[in-house]
Amino acid sequence: GIQVEQSPPDLILQEGANSTLRCNFSDSVNNLQWFHQNPWGQLINLFYIPSGTKQNGRLSATTVATERYSLLYISSSQTTDSGVYFCAVPAQGGSEKLVFGKGTKLTVNP
Amino acid sequence: DGGITQSPKYLFRKEGQNVTLSCEQNLNHDAMYWYRQDPGQGLRLIYYSQIVNDFQKGDIAEGYSVSREKKESFPLTVTSAQKNPTAFYLCASGQSMNTEAFFGQGTRLTVV
Repeated sequence: GIQVEQSPPDLILQEGANSTLRCNFSDSVNNLQWFHQNPWGQLINLFYIPSGTKQNGRLSATTVATERYSLLYISSSQTTDSGVYFCAVPAQGGSEKLVFGKGTKLTVNP
Repeated sequence: DGGITQSPKYLFRKEGQNVTLSCEQNLNHDAMYWYRQDPGQGLRLIYYSQIVNDFQKGDIAEGYSVSREKKESFPLTVTSAQKNPTAFYLCASGQSMNTEAFFGQGTRLTVV
């Protein structure tokens, strides 16, 4: 089945710094999602981004489907950005269940 | 408010007991999912349903059962056959299988 790898596994930043999280996937996909898991465990939708670039405030995401990767950019990080960031893709590149990476744990220090 | 509601938030179970986790959505979504998350890990799919009265096993279905009698509801039963049930359980829904998925707040199950 499709493999999803996220890097780095852990990231520690000072408030105000920028960061880039990466998601690689082993097969072609027609959609990709980024989530933020907050300290209480809830998964918050960040982006639904099959290809191209999207921006939402300080966050933006780019998916290059032909090269099988997606990037999540966080600018001017805040302590509330802390948590785990997951990317997820369909299991067989089409209309199937979502497969998750193991996540990037982000800690933003004041 | 539209959304996905999981209950209870915390659940304690004695070994050998079955327990049912509730998941309700008012988003009019056809697809619903149950995921399990262990500490420091990603999410693994337990069961999913694309339509009422139909569901399929995910990657780790052993020891679990589900039903989908109503579009809004997709309860998960953790049976005594599940060897290591202590985990965080997340329910999700989407318009269909290949659209954006939205998650509930999760249920933390502990076996005591």
